Amino acid sequence: GEDVEQSLFLSVREGDSSVINCTYTDSSSTYLYWYKQEPGAGLQLLTYIFSNMDMKQDQRLTVLLNKKDKHLSLRIADTQTGDSAIYFCAESSLLSGGYNKLIFGAGTRLAVHP
Amino acid sequence: NAGVTQTPKFRVLKTGQSMTLLCAQDMNHEYMYWYRQDPGMGLRLIHYSVGEGTTAKGEVPDGYNVSRLKKQNFLLGLESAAPSQTSVYFCASSWTSRTTGELFFGEGSRLTVL
Repeated sequence: GEDVEQSLFLSVREGDSSVINCTYTDSSSTYLYWYKQEPGAGLQLLTYIFSNMDMKQDQRLTVLLNKKDKHLSLRIADTQTGDSAIYFCAESSLLSGGYNKLIFGAGTRLAVHP
Repeated sequence: NAGVTQTPKFRVLKTGQSMTLLCAQDMNHEYMYWYRQDPGMGLRLIHYSVGEGTTAKGEVPDGYNVSRLKKQNFLLGLESAAPSQTSVYFCASSWTSRTTGELFFGEGSRLTVL
């Protein structure tokens, strides 16, 4: 069945790079996503990658996709305290009727310390 | 812009009581979703709607009912609350589910069932 797995915690020093990893199961996923959840808030889309891409860069964020291993990673360069949040990996999956739904991982809590 | 608004934000219920969570969006989105978020687990889809007057079951629909009488509102009902329904509930909406799949989330409703 569909499943998205990611580690639950990551702690980094301010200014270092953070790498959050995710594995997924649905090889037919068209898009893969990273959402960010700050304390007391809903999820916000951080970035996404189309399944025929290997890499996508957006300012401090780099997404790497290894389709063979079904592995997705999010790298945050020069991590700041404001990056402390929970990061969710998600894959798209088809609902009946041809609509997409998102399957979310459990989220990785990123803690940034001075 | 309000975006997606959920009410109430907090609620405590006794087992067997009923309640309704209201989700309102002002972005004219066709698609709306209800998710629940539990510790150590990803967001799980309860019910969704692909347009006014339509609803469909997600992954974990048992014990919940929904209605989409107006395009901007999506209601989630618990007819007889159980402790297993203690969770944080998120409503989300999207313009379409067939493209990049960006979901816009509300801030969440924390429900405790005693």
